[in-house]
Amino acid sequence: DTAVSQTPKYLVTQMGNDKSIKCEQNLGHDTMYWYKQDSKKFLKIMFSYNNKELIINETVPNRFSPKSPDKAHLNLHINSLELGDSAVYFCASSRDRGNTIYFGEGSWLTVV
Amino acid sequence: AQRVTQPEKLLSVFKGAPVELKCNYSYSGSPELFWYVQYSRQRLQLLLRHISRESIKGFTADLNKGETSFHLKKPFAQEEDSAMYYCAIDNFNKFYFGSGTKLNVKP
Repeated sequence: DTAVSQTPKYLVTQMGNDKSIKCEQNLGHDTMYWYKQDSKKFLKIMFSYNNKELIINETVPNRFSPKSPDKAHLNLHINSLELGDSAVYFCASSRDRGNTIYFGEGSWLTVV
Repeated sequence: AQRVTQPEKLLSVFKGAPVELKCNYSYSGSPELFWYVQYSRQRLQLLLRHISRESIKGFTADLNKGETSFHLKKPFAQEEDSAMYYCAIDNFNKFYFGSGTKLNVKP
């Protein structure tokens, strides 16, 4: 059973389009995250939700909007995609502070 | 500000050689530190955490508060250890990752 699953795994799209990446966790965790891994392999937190409430919102353009319909899901919607948005996006979850973070397999986004 | 520094972007060793991936942090408080590993095209996964004091796949890491370091060590590297390694620090549900070190174990 996949603990944290995100779809799609690969996405190639044109500049200006709007796209979503979905994430679901079946671990019963209260906290979910989105991370961006850029071309230099640097990982940076974007958002964190705890029980459907936004608790961390790093400096991310407003074109990025997370949505958490329930605590098992945290979707990432991106408007007006730009070339610089090309990256691997990782969804993750954890039970609580100090607990292990479990990552999804990543979604490879390429904007052309 | 919390920072995690991994000074080496790339570390190449021969199979059987000892390996040490460096991690230094700056944090005010009682940090929790982790090492994550990402094999080629696979998800990030936890390798070990300092509070567990465990050895996973032959790797160990000791938290040195005096030197604010959490270096990852393995006495005899294997080819399958080749991967990206990330040091991370936990701050109330917010993980800060280092920039990663690519370990290349040559045959």
